[in-house]
Amino acid sequence: GIQVEQSPPDLILQEGANSTLRCNFSDSVNNLQWFHQNPWGQLINLFYIPSGTKQNGRLSATTVATERYSLLYISSSQTTDSGVYFCAVVDYGQNFVFGPGTRLSVLP
Amino acid sequence: DGGITQSPKYLFRKEGQNVTLSCEQNLNHDAMYWYRQDPGQGLRLIYYSQIVNDFQKGDIAEGYSVSREKKESFPLTVTSAQKNPTAFYLCASSIRQPGQGWNEQFFGPGTRLTVL
Repeated sequence: GIQVEQSPPDLILQEGANSTLRCNFSDSVNNLQWFHQNPWGQLINLFYIPSGTKQNGRLSATTVATERYSLLYISSSQTTDSGVYFCAVVDYGQNFVFGPGTRLSVLP
Repeated sequence: DGGITQSPKYLFRKEGQNVTLSCEQNLNHDAMYWYRQDPGQGLRLIYYSQIVNDFQKGDIAEGYSVSREKKESFPLTVTSAQKNPTAFYLCASSIRQPGQGWNEQFFGPGTRLTVL
């Protein structure tokens, strides 16, 4: 089945810094989402982005489907950005797979 | 407000007992899903349903059962056959668009199940 990798696995930033999180997938996809899981476990939708670029405030995402990767950019990070960021994909076999996540800690 | 609710938030169960987790949505979504998350891990699909009275197994369905009698509700039963049931359980829903595969999923707040 499709494999999803995320990097880096852990990231520690000072408040105000910028960061880039990466999601690589091993096969073609027709659906890709980015989520933020907060410390209480709630999964918050960030982007639904099977291809192209989207922006929402300090966050933006780019998916290059032909090269099988997606990037999540966080600018001017805040302590409330801390948590785990997941990439999830659906392949053309209708298999839905989550990546292992990137754990982000933003220090004041 | 529209959304997905899960209850209870925390659940404790004795070994050998069945337990049912509730998931309700008022988003008028066709499809609903159950996932399991173990500490430090990603989510794994247990069951999903794209229409009332129909559901399919996901990657880790053994030891679980579901029903979909109403569009709004998709309860999950964790049976005594599930070997390691202690985990965080998340329910999700999405609009179903025929021919376009799985659409954007939205998640409930989750239920933490602990087997004593």
